[in-house]
Amino acid sequence: DADVTQTPRNRITKTGKRIMLECSQTKGHDRMYWYRQDPGLGLRLIYYSFDVKDINKGEISDGYSVSRQAQAKFSLSLESAIPNQTALYFCATSELGQGASTDTQYFGPGTRLTVL
Amino acid sequence: EDQVTQSPEALRPQEGESSSLNCSYTVSGLRGLFWYRQDPGKGPEFLFTLYSAGEEKEKERLKATLTKKESFLHITAPKPEDSATYLCAVFSGGYNKLIFGAGTRLAVHP
Repeated sequence: DADVTQTPRNRITKTGKRIMLECSQTKGHDRMYWYRQDPGLGLRLIYYSFDVKDINKGEISDGYSVSRQAQAKFSLSLESAIPNQTALYFCATSELGQGASTDTQYFGPGTRLTVL
Repeated sequence: EDQVTQSPEALRPQEGESSSLNCSYTVSGLRGLFWYRQDPGKGPEFLFTLYSAGEEKEKERLKATLTKKESFLHITAPKPEDSATYLCAVFSGGYNKLIFGAGTRLAVHP
């Protein structure tokens, strides 16, 4: 079974709808991240969480919110979807720690979101 | 501002034709440089971490090297199954986050 799973894998929705993307992990990692990927722009960080009570904004958090329901679950919500939020969304995890080796992030398979 | 630039955007070698992918970076307080492989429709798969200038790491046909300003991913005698997008990222100690380049698309022709 995959260590990091994302649901749904594909979603088509309409402008103004509320959407939730879910991420679960069995790696036992404390840190979780949400990224979006657009062609030619690389991965950009939306939100990250270092533990259940810690939520931080990334570089492009406007229009998004997150919830860390448990160590293993981290959800991303689009409160009112707009077409320029059409993208690939990835969840990632990493270990808790101070050493550089804990900076390695492991990614889920992604969710392809289309907002019409 | 921390930044990662990958070149070229795309590469189309023949099978067996060795290639090099470049990752140039400017970052405050480099804590590590990461290489990932991404297949179409899938999430990035971790390949290597390099921590200091002069370090090299190898995995099968892949070899990653690091200097103070850039990293190279060398692919020796590539096969069609090496075709993917290769992503480079640096961990910025100043911002405490990974910063990704846009990637290099590698398409190996038989």
